[in-house]
Amino acid sequence: NAGVTQTPKFRVLKTGQSMTLLCAQDMNHEYMYWYRQDPGMGLRLIHYSVGEGTTAKGEVPDGYNVSRLKKQNFLLGLESAAPSQTSVYFCASSFTDTYEQYFGPGTRLTVT
Amino acid sequence: KQEVTQIPAALSVPEGENLVLNCSFTDSAIYNLQWFRQDPGKGLTSLLLIQSSQREQTSGRLNASLDKSSGRSTLYIAASQPGDSATYLCAVNTDKLIFGTGTRLQVFP
Repeated sequence: NAGVTQTPKFRVLKTGQSMTLLCAQDMNHEYMYWYRQDPGMGLRLIHYSVGEGTTAKGEVPDGYNVSRLKKQNFLLGLESAAPSQTSVYFCASSFTDTYEQYFGPGTRLTVT
Repeated sequence: KQEVTQIPAALSVPEGENLVLNCSFTDSAIYNLQWFRQDPGKGLTSLLLIQSSQREQTSGRLNASLDKSSGRSTLYIAASQPGDSATYLCAVNTDKLIFGTGTRLQVFP
């Protein structure tokens, strides 16, 4: 039982490049979330999904897209990376929106 | 808009001390509150979840209380150890988790 896993762990991008972050969970959770963590800002919700095939915007969605084609996977895409997207990205999952959330180990992204 | 504040931002204590971390929130309409631990460069580990109808939860040396009407939660750590050194985050659930910026705790031998 791996819980929530994230790929990759680290990545460096040049401005304008694109990439996809992958989150996978093996707990059969319906809800999945993407957060970013910046110094002094705490964790902020980017996008979330309430089930397979659904996505919704969070607090800071601009510059990101997401997809949930399979229940166990939630992908976060950056189409044209900007230095402001340098951050640590965390994925989380839960049974419903009022249940405990479980977090992955994070992806550290640097955009130069 | 829900805002979550954690005080103090940093705390350094000698091993063995009992300590209290504070979390306050502005809107009492919450489903629950979670306390997390984050080690440097690592993800978040859930410590305790308190439902809105509960007053406290305990796990080992950790005790978390919730006073929804006053918008406050405390995390009590008994007999602190160097291994407790980490950043502690609280988050209130209003169908989304709203996080505080954390308390960075250092326990020295």
